[in-house]
Amino acid sequence: AQKVTQAQTEISVVEKEDVTLDCVYETRDTTYYLFWYKQPPSGELVFLIRRNSFDEQNEISGRYSWNFQKSTSSFNFTITASQVVDSAVYFCALGYGNNRLAFGKGNQVVVIP
Amino acid sequence: KAGVTQTPRYLIKTRGQQVTLSCSPISGHRSVSWYQQTPGQGLQFLFEYFSETQRNKGNFPGRFSGRQFSNSRSEMNVSTLELGDSALYLCASSSTLAGGPGDTQYFGPGTRLTVL
Repeated sequence: AQKVTQAQTEISVVEKEDVTLDCVYETRDTTYYLFWYKQPPSGELVFLIRRNSFDEQNEISGRYSWNFQKSTSSFNFTITASQVVDSAVYFCALGYGNNRLAFGKGNQVVVIP
Repeated sequence: KAGVTQTPRYLIKTRGQQVTLSCSPISGHRSVSWYQQTPGQGLQFLFEYFSETQRNKGNFPGRFSGRQFSNSRSEMNVSTLELGDSALYLCASSSTLAGGPGDTQYFGPGTRLTVL
């Protein structure tokens, strides 16, 4: 069965601090995809990144970076120099089957000005 | 391109009633998936449609159903509403042709359903 665990529920940081969100996944599939989404207070899930199981390269996009480690089944997400606009719930998800996502419980990030 | 749209945005119903939610995917996207989000259970997959066919169904009772039209627009229906059906219902579309686990899904703003 597919499972995604995001252990930290709420994380508070002061603006300009870095914050790292942990994501651990379980799957028996050899080919799989991992995603991160952001959910601001408006409710819409905003796509941030997709990574397949064969691509273990880390990725950086502006202040966002992702560290994929197949050996530990983790796909962690770091926000560098956080800003108030980063306050949101962040979800890690595992893609399987036909367009089916298994989501973690989410990390509520609160950036304090 | 316009994003995924969902109507209505908010809905209040009473127990026992039924409700229909609508989703219009991004132009050209043929796959539509539905998710339920509650504080207790988080985000859970309901079902996925592609070319008017349901390909996947999550672990929800038969009161939850859906359909997809030839223009890829989708509706979901919940009959005999229960208090526990109060949730944010999110629709997502993807441009998949063959399907698979790697298609990026783009989400709409959701419909917040409150059952009294």
